[in-house]
Amino acid sequence: DAGVTQSPTHLIKTRGQQVTLRCSPKSGHDTVSWYQQALGQGPQFIFQYYEEEERQRGNFPDRFSGHQFPNYSSELNVNALLLGDSALYLCASSLGAPAYGYTFGSGTRLTVV
Amino acid sequence: ILNVEQSPQSLHVQEGDSTNFTCSFPSSNFYALHWYRWETAKSPEALFVMTLNGDEKKKGRISATLNTKEGYSYLYIKGSQPEDSATYLCALTGNQFYFGTGTSLTVIP
Repeated sequence: DAGVTQSPTHLIKTRGQQVTLRCSPKSGHDTVSWYQQALGQGPQFIFQYYEEEERQRGNFPDRFSGHQFPNYSSELNVNALLLGDSALYLCASSLGAPAYGYTFGSGTRLTVV
Repeated sequence: ILNVEQSPQSLHVQEGDSTNFTCSFPSSNFYALHWYRWETAKSPEALFVMTLNGDEKKKGRISATLNTKEGYSYLYIKGSQPEDSATYLCALTGNQFYFGTGTSLTVIP
């Protein structure tokens, strides 16, 4: 049973560019949440998708957008990249609201130069 | 935004030592508390979910306690082994998780 799959694992982008990160949830899960973990910090909530709609959003600017597809997979898009966007981006899936836990992917390491 | 704090930030112990670390959270905002174990380059792995005041959970040499009235949880590792080296994250949950910054544990052989 595949867990959460994220791609790519590593990515280097130039300031001002746009990036798309991808996530396939665990089989049977319908909700995908995205987190950003900057160096020295805990994961920070970006947003959550359910039924192809953004259900909740954290304190991130509109440069961060997402999408969920009918097969529950999800994309995270970041426009106009800043150096401060360099971080590990984690995808987590759950069945409905994740009150009783997530399954995490291993993350995408984004470096903005 | 809920403030979840973990201490210490990092810890180095000798193999065989027992250790513990703390997760603190606002006691007025509680639904469930999660502990995750996160090894470098891997996915965070769920250890425990606790919901009731006084909960105690155990998994092998690792155990956790919960005090919702005073807003803290302790994670204990008995007889630390090198394979226990990881970052231990706690998270408070509702519809999303509010993570602490983690405690990085290094067990020295």
